[in-house]
Amino acid sequence: AQSVSQHNHHVILSEAASLELGCNYSYGGTVNLFWYVQYPGQHLQLLLKYFSGDPLVKGIKGFEAEFIKSKFSFNLRKPSVQWSDTAEYFCAVIIVYNFNKFYFGSGTKLNVKP
Amino acid sequence: DVKVTQSSRYLVKRTGEKVFLECVQDMDHENMFWYRQDPGLGLRLIYFSYDVKMKEKGDIPEGYSVSREKKERFSLILESASTNQTSMYLCASSFSFGQGNTEAFFGQGTRLTVV
Repeated sequence: AQSVSQHNHHVILSEAASLELGCNYSYGGTVNLFWYVQYPGQHLQLLLKYFSGDPLVKGIKGFEAEFIKSKFSFNLRKPSVQWSDTAEYFCAVIIVYNFNKFYFGSGTKLNVKP
Repeated sequence: DVKVTQSSRYLVKRTGEKVFLECVQDMDHENMFWYRQDPGLGLRLIYFSYDVKMKEKGDIPEGYSVSREKKERFSLILESASTNQTSMYLCASSFSFGQGNTEAFFGQGTRLTVV
């Protein structure tokens, strides 16, 4: 079965610290990759996505992610976090040509201390 | 703007009741999904539909069924609600083909409490 692993379940950082959240997936074929964010009390929204081309993708609010095909990874990064980045972050994968069915990781809760 | 609308934000139901959760999307998406979200477990797929009347079981279909009679509407049915089905339920939709426009759009969620 396909799987998406997020290794950090809960991360606590101070403002201005750098962030890296890990994401690995288990499928070897053509994939599209996503990071979603859920701010407290809000619905999930897309942070960034990769489907082809430059493996370094930039998203909203200064986030970026790098697709490393050989490592089956799509790690999320931000050089300097803000208190407003406190949220839960989900990595997701779709297997292209399989009805684009989504597989989500278990999520990482990020708390940024002011 | 894509809208995925779930009929209720909060529901309280009694054990044994039949519960209907409704979801409507306005983007002509082929795919629709029902997930439940529980702390520490992320999003777990209950059912997935890639076309009208087509459905596929997800990871945790037991105790649930779905209905998709129209492209824009996807209903989740709890045949006989139990307390372990207390959870946040999320509906999502997306296109089923193509690569550049494949992201899923989510509704606000329905927090269901079964007492």
